[in-house]
Amino acid sequence: EAQVTQNPRYLITVTGKKLTVTCSQNMNHEYMSWYRQDPGLGLRQIYYSMNVEVTDKGDVPEGYKVSRKEKRNFPLILESPSPNQTSLYFCASSSRDSISYNEQFFGPGTRLTVL
Amino acid sequence: RKEVEQDPGPFNVPEGATVAFNCTYSNSASQSFFWYRQDCRKEPKLLMSVYSSGNEDGRFTAQLNRASQYISLLIRDSKLSDSATYLCVVMGGSYIPTFGRGTSLIVHP
Repeated sequence: EAQVTQNPRYLITVTGKKLTVTCSQNMNHEYMSWYRQDPGLGLRQIYYSMNVEVTDKGDVPEGYKVSRKEKRNFPLILESPSPNQTSLYFCASSSRDSISYNEQFFGPGTRLTVL
Repeated sequence: RKEVEQDPGPFNVPEGATVAFNCTYSNSASQSFFWYRQDCRKEPKLLMSVYSSGNEDGRFTAQLNRASQYISLLIRDSKLSDSATYLCVVMGGSYIPTFGRGTSLIVHP
């Protein structure tokens, strides 16, 4: 089954404790991205990757890191989480062949709470 | 001014009604347009792309007006299962899609 998986699905942590949210897709997609969704603000892109070893900042990259060492994986790293990073996070992927016209497939989301 | 704007609603309509949402965008160079559907606490899923000539998929019709810089989504014969948040997505020449904040639709019996 074609899918995007994220882990963990739910996480409660404390300020300053480094964490990683994993994202994996099995569709051989070149393009992957991370979003956060907050009430009243909608979905905002954090980082995206056009292919292995190619990453770039989205609209709200501060406080986040990403890496793309393998095509299927695109982890999101919070080196020192803060309460304002409490949010619902989505990973997404799509084919790069015609990205503007192709569907983005979203993972199920990770609900993060930073105390 | 936000790049992509939507009326947050909620739009509260009875079953069988026709309802329309609009979405305005500020970047005249925008090239691609989409409507996504998001159920409560779930991931967004593509509902339909929006083509210049307009397109229809069953009860759903999407249209693009480049001159006035808006896209629309029309839902005919609303079903209870149509209750969701509808997200407008616009992409320009970059690979950063811009999402609207979503329009909430509630279809009641």
